[in-house]
Amino acid sequence: ETGVTQTPRHLVMGMTNKKSLKCEQHLGHNAMYWYKQSAKKPLELMFVYNFKEQTENNSVPSRFSPECPNSSHLFLHLHTLQPEDSALYLCASSHRDRESYNEQFFGPGTRLTVL
Amino acid sequence: AQTVTQSQPEMSVQEAETVTLSCTYDTSESDYYLFWYKQPPSRQMILVIRQEAYKQQNATENRFSVNFQKAAKSFSLKISDSQLGDAAMYFCAYRSANAGNNRKLIWGLGTSLAVNP
Repeated sequence: ETGVTQTPRHLVMGMTNKKSLKCEQHLGHNAMYWYKQSAKKPLELMFVYNFKEQTENNSVPSRFSPECPNSSHLFLHLHTLQPEDSALYLCASSHRDRESYNEQFFGPGTRLTVL
Repeated sequence: AQTVTQSQPEMSVQEAETVTLSCTYDTSESDYYLFWYKQPPSRQMILVIRQEAYKQQNATENRFSVNFQKAAKSFSLKISDSQLGDAAMYFCAYRSANAGNNRKLIWGLGTSLAVNP
């Protein structure tokens, strides 16, 4: 596997379910990001991890719980979601110190539907 | 706060023709980066081209070029010799050069580009 991978690609869950999204990067990066992409809205940055430490939480509801066990893996644990949480969830990674413009590389996303 | 505006929700172009996608932004900063990202139907977002604000020369990557007008805060993307594979959503994004902002990208709403054979 190369680049940034995400599993599953599609997920349908009920409001009472608990599920997790997984992201893995094979680029040697040290920063990872979760974004939410909804129709007719700009990409929303949810969480940022640098060197496994969470450095940003953009007022995300507690029903979304990120976990970064190492610099290559990022999880998003989901519980008691709402239908409005249905969206495409994108993971990205970058190397904070390699270049000043900090290009972010994206995974293919997980299409989440909450029933 | 910085904002990014893409005023064209949808655009179309004939194959082999040229199309220009618009992007304007608002910022009080003088040093920043601008990006165009492409998201094809497969959904993987990829970087198309970037521009450093301190560079006056417009960035070019093969068939993709930008028209960066710093005073006007405009950053349009020109795609020459359009190909069917160029069909995608195109997002304009801004990032401050100030490391203190955690390298946060500010995104536009995107422009959906259709390429007609």
